[in-house]
Amino acid sequence: EVQVVESGGGLVQPGGSLRLSCAASGFTFSSYWMHWVRQAPGKGLVWVSRINSDENSTSYADSVKGRFTISRDNAKNTLYLQMNSLRAEDTAVYYCARGSWHFDCWGQGTLVTVSS
Amino acid sequence: EIVLTQSPGTLSLSPGERATLSCRASQSVSSSYLAWYHQKPGQAPRLLIYGASSRATGIPDRFSGSGSGTDFTLTISRLEPEDFAVYYCQQYGSSLWTFGQGTKVEIK
Repeated sequence: EVQVVESGGGLVQPGGSLRLSCAASGFTFSSYWMHWVRQAPGKGLVWVSRINSDENSTSYADSVKGRFTISRDNAKNTLYLQMNSLRAEDTAVYYCARGSWHFDCWGQGTLVTVSS
Repeated sequence: EIVLTQSPGTLSLSPGERATLSCRASQSVSSSYLAWYHQKPGQAPRLLIYGASSRATGIPDRFSGSGSGTDFTLTISRLEPEDFAVYYCQQYGSSLWTFGQGTKVEIK
């Protein structure tokens, strides 16, 4: 079964850091672009970041550029999102998603809450 | 950045009725890069349509997508109880991905 499972969310203070992980299984992880998409409570979907299949190209939404870093370990079939200098407005469920132009496999998400 | 505007914000319909959802882009979008998803409460989004008109794996044929340029449409021919959800369009362009704000399809 093709699936991705996120972990690493939690409560963090403003200015703090958190690293999210996404474990992939059921498909050849190293062949796919991967993304992070977030959803604030009661709000819509917002694309956050993307990494290509061989780790040498990334892109970010302006709202997280310079604070978040996407990476992957193809040997471990795992995607990461390092989040630094967190703000209250980063509070959201963070989804890991597979795909190039569209997203055909999503995890259940991990909740990040930024609050003092 | 291309902005996607979905309308209406909420669609109140009965099971068996036809639903027509609109997604308008601020600039022309390649049809290859336009997708639709739905999301039920407490669940992850699910891909319905990609390339503007191709159904994703396992999606029933009551879902259809159409459009080009700046105007795209998702049509649900006959609403089933499990179709009441929030629907999002999404596009890719210039190394950025953006979503519309969503249309909620609710039971009338």
